[in-house]
Amino acid sequence: DADVTQTPRNRITKTGKRIMLECSQTKGHDRMYWYRQDPGLGLRLIYYSFDVKDINKGEISDGYSVSRQAQAKFSLSLESAIPNQTALYFCATSVSRGLAGGLHNEQFFGPGTRLTVL
Amino acid sequence: EDQVTQSPEALRLQEGESSSLNCSYTVSGLRGLFWYRQDPGKGPEFLFTLYSAGEEKEKERLKATLTKKESFLHITAPKPEDSATYLCAVQAFSPGGTSYGKLTFGQGTILTVHP
Repeated sequence: DADVTQTPRNRITKTGKRIMLECSQTKGHDRMYWYRQDPGLGLRLIYYSFDVKDINKGEISDGYSVSRQAQAKFSLSLESAIPNQTALYFCATSVSRGLAGGLHNEQFFGPGTRLTVL
Repeated sequence: EDQVTQSPEALRLQEGESSSLNCSYTVSGLRGLFWYRQDPGKGPEFLFTLYSAGEEKEKERLKATLTKKESFLHITAPKPEDSATYLCAVQAFSPGGTSYGKLTFGQGTILTVHP
């Protein structure tokens, strides 16, 4: 079973529609992230959350919102989708460890959602 | 602003032909440099984390090295199953010496290994 799951895996929608992408994880990690991937631009951070009550904007948060419903669930919403939001969207998780516990802070990614906005 | 540049953009190798991928970075204070592998239609898969200049890590045919300005991913005697996009990312310390986990990614190197 996958540790990080994303739904839906593919979505085609029209301009102006509200879209929600969901992410669930069974890794027990406290930190969760949303990225988008575009050809030639790499992965860019949209939002990140360190716990249920701590949500922060990333480098490209305009047009997006998020909700951390539980430690294991992190949703990304496009309130009014536009064509330039067509991209691959990835959720990722990591566990926070202080220096005493080592510096391991690698992020683990879900399988992605391919979103097309017409 | 943290920056990561990967080269080449694409690399074609024959099976068994060893080569290296480059990741050049600028960051205010490096907390860690990460290598990921991404297969088409899938999410990035974690490979290595490097923390300080001079550090090396190996996994099967892959070896990652780190200097103060760049990292190399060496691929020894590659096989067709090594074909993938390889992503490099850096994580910086934020002011005050802490880190909030933000990764800055390069655009990746598309590796194709022909049999």
